[in-house]
Amino acid sequence: DAGVTQSPTHLIKTRGQQVTLRCSPISGHKSVSWYQQVLGQGPQFIFQYYEKEERGRGNFPDRFSARQFPNYSSELNVNALLLGDSALYLCASSWAIVYEQYFGPGTRLTVT
Amino acid sequence: QQQVKQSPQSLIVQKGGISIINCAYENTAFDYFPWYQQFPGKGPALLIAIRPDVSEKKEGRFTISFNKSAKQFSLHIMDSQPGDSATYFCAASISGGGADGLTFGKGTHLIIQP
Repeated sequence: DAGVTQSPTHLIKTRGQQVTLRCSPISGHKSVSWYQQVLGQGPQFIFQYYEKEERGRGNFPDRFSARQFPNYSSELNVNALLLGDSALYLCASSWAIVYEQYFGPGTRLTVT
Repeated sequence: QQQVKQSPQSLIVQKGGISIINCAYENTAFDYFPWYQQFPGKGPALLIAIRPDVSEKKEGRFTISFNKSAKQFSLHIMDSQPGDSATYFCAASISGGGADGLTFGKGTHLIIQP
């Protein structure tokens, strides 16, 4: 079975630009969560979506937004990029909100 | 405010030895405690998880010990192998990673020497 897939693998953007990251959950999973992992730190929770609705939000500015599509895939958007947004962005899927979360390989975003 | 404190930051263990990583949490509402293993350039992989109604859970060479009164839990890796060399993260959440997401520790870089 295919695991969680994310695209692109790597991305380089300039300060002030906007970026869109994509995630496809494990087949049958209806919940997608997004995390930011800065080098040398543990992942930090950004959003959780279930059945196309936002069900949870971490302590991130409004520059971060996301959505979930009818096929349960998801996009994370970050506007007005800052140098500090450089990180590995991880997507995790689960069958529902209160079940185990399985992570994808991540998208490495570098902001210059 | 760091709600999950993980130690040690790095750990070197000889092949065949026992690796022990500890975590302490502050939020008594946490009721789900998973451990993740992460290799360089990869996403975290779920290893084993425990809920506070049991004090220990074992899966193969991996064991979680849980002390609810002390608000601590630990990962034991028995017969540690070089392939176990990775970064390990403990995490905690309310209701199994629900609307508040998983809160992670800062990670332990484990090296198993052959």
